[in-house]
Amino acid sequence: GNSVTQMEGPVTLSEEAFLTINCTYTATGYPSLFWYVQYPGEGLQLLLKATKADDKGSNKGFEATYRKETTSFHLEKGSVQVSDSAVYFCALSSRGSGTYKYIFGTGTRLKVLA
Amino acid sequence: GAVVSQHPSRVICKSGTSVKIECRSLDFQATTMFWYRQFPKKSLMLMATSNEGSKATYEQGVEKDKFLINHASLTLSTLTVTSAHPEDSSFYICSARTDPLGETQYFGPGTRLLVL
Repeated sequence: GNSVTQMEGPVTLSEEAFLTINCTYTATGYPSLFWYVQYPGEGLQLLLKATKADDKGSNKGFEATYRKETTSFHLEKGSVQVSDSAVYFCALSSRGSGTYKYIFGTGTRLKVLA
Repeated sequence: GAVVSQHPSRVICKSGTSVKIECRSLDFQATTMFWYRQFPKKSLMLMATSNEGSKATYEQGVEKDKFLINHASLTLSTLTVTSAHPEDSSFYICSARTDPLGETQYFGPGTRLLVL
């Protein structure tokens, strides 16, 4: 079946450090891929998405490229800020039972220190 | 746009009682909403797909009679945990789509349920 694997957290970085959060997936067909962010006490917010191979999603300085050959969708940011501290979820969307459904990774907690 | 709310944000109840959680799309109509359960340090697990005007579609292993879902309008879906027990304690999150044919989901802030 379809699945998403994320790197274990927590990830602790200093401000302005480079961030990579790894995400790999297993799926039949060509799913769309998403990154969501959950700030403390809030719901999940869509950060970025990519719908086909080689697409690059980007938002707020974060980027992720849909790599079909490595079945990956790693999240990157060149210079993190304290305000980026949150939990990040990778997800894929696949069609089943007539509707698109998400499968989430376990989430990676990021803590950025000033 | 695409704001989803949940109520209550936290609830504590006694074992054996029922608890209702509401999920509302505030600025759009949602023919489809989803209910997830999140365990500590675990990923979100899809419980069911809620369709306006029809029965919900439950994922394998989810008890339909335990988790009752009603999607009576285009902006409201409810999840009722019946005869709750401590093992039902969890974080419940709903989501909705703005486009019935689309993939992107917008999430509510979640409801933390504690059953004593």
